[in-house]
Amino acid sequence: GQQLNQSPQSMFIQEGEDVSMNCTSSSIFNTWLWYKQDPGEGPVLLIALYKAGELTSNGRLTAQFGITRKDSFLNISASIPSDVGIYFCAGQLYTGNQFYFGTGTSLTVIP
Amino acid sequence: AAGVIQSPRHLIKEKRETATLKCYPIPRHDTVYWYQQGPGQDPQFLISFYEKMQSDKGSIPDRFSAQQFSDYHSELNMSSLELGDSALYFCASSFGQGGTNEKLFFGSGTQLSVL
Repeated sequence: GQQLNQSPQSMFIQEGEDVSMNCTSSSIFNTWLWYKQDPGEGPVLLIALYKAGELTSNGRLTAQFGITRKDSFLNISASIPSDVGIYFCAGQLYTGNQFYFGTGTSLTVIP
Repeated sequence: AAGVIQSPRHLIKEKRETATLKCYPIPRHDTVYWYQQGPGQDPQFLISFYEKMQSDKGSIPDRFSAQQFSDYHSELNMSSLELGDSALYFCASSFGQGGTNEKLFFGSGTQLSVL
């Protein structure tokens, strides 16, 4: 299967700080999705990206579809305690194909 | 808004038993994906269905089978359960897998424990 490398693996930050994480692959992707998952729950869709270079925001979250189509970035500004969780990227190679998940970034926000 | 419904929420089985997981997609969604997630792991794709036909297949063991019914709900059938099958099983639904701008929406999952 496809390998989506997500970094960093974990982050410990102070409340109010900004967060950046990224997802990279050796393959060109058609779609990038970003999810947040709480323990024992299903992933919740945060942002969807469909075009190279696309920059999309959802509140304090901003994500970008890399120009090379091999990567994507997620930024969280002014972090708050409820941002705690595991963030996953998911990429789709082409229409009708499965979505491959990244290895996840565990975020801890220290009040 | 209606979400993806999965049942049961928790399931405990013995080795070599069978299990059936059910998934009810968001209304009007025609595509269902099944994922398996082990502890501390990312979700691994098992199988997907579009308009009641299998559309893609991932790392689904031969002991597992799945189908999508006429009302678009899906069932994952698992036989000869092994200890290693213990995991969270997620169903996700989307609209128009054959088109563009697809978004996957996940259910809360079924936690399967094999003893």
